Amino acid sequence: GEDVEQSLFLSVREGDSSVINCTYTDSSSTYLYWYKQEPGAGLQLLTYIFSNMDMKQDQRLTVLLNKKDKHLSLRIADTQTGDSAIYFCAANKLIFGAGTRLAVHP
Amino acid sequence: DTAVSQTPKYLVTQMGNDKSIKCEQNLGHDTMYWYKQDSKKFLKIMFSYNNKELIINETVPNRFSPKSPDKAHLNLHINSLELGDSAVYFCASSQEEGPGTDTQYFGPGTRLTVL
Repeated sequence: GEDVEQSLFLSVREGDSSVINCTYTDSSSTYLYWYKQEPGAGLQLLTYIFSNMDMKQDQRLTVLLNKKDKHLSLRIADTQTGDSAIYFCAANKLIFGAGTRLAVHP
Repeated sequence: DTAVSQTPKYLVTQMGNDKSIKCEQNLGHDTMYWYKQDSKKFLKIMFSYNNKELIINETVPNRFSPKSPDKAHLNLHINSLELGDSAVYFCASSQEEGPGTDTQYFGPGTRLTVL
């Protein structure tokens, strides 16, 4: 069946860039999403990318899509302590990865 | 003016009991979902309803019964609760049923603990 995989943890220093990676199995995935979950809260959509795009930039966020390798990444520039959260990759809205816990330290 | 609301926020109950979780959305969306997030943060789709009709029912025990009295509500009833049902349950809604640029809006979650 369809699957989405992510690394579970990432620790970065404040001010550095964070890169969260995701791989998916379903080549027919047309939309890929990044969600953020803060402690005790629901998921909030950060950004999405359509499968015919290679890159999408939105302020500090850059999404890169390698459709051949079925690899998606989210880069957060100038990472702040407020970025500490769990980040979920999702394919076609319903298939979620396990989430990557991003810890930002001073 | 909360977009997707769930009640209760916390639910602690004994094994074998029956409980319900309610979800309401005021966004006018046609599609609503229930997800289960386990202790390792895996988020899995359980059910999806479009215009009160069940469209997705992932491999979920039949102890779980969703009910959609109208487009704005999707409740989840669980019979004979088991320890493994302990998780955070998220409700979500979106305008469209399939994949697309419309986003899902998630509720704050209901943390269910079965003792």
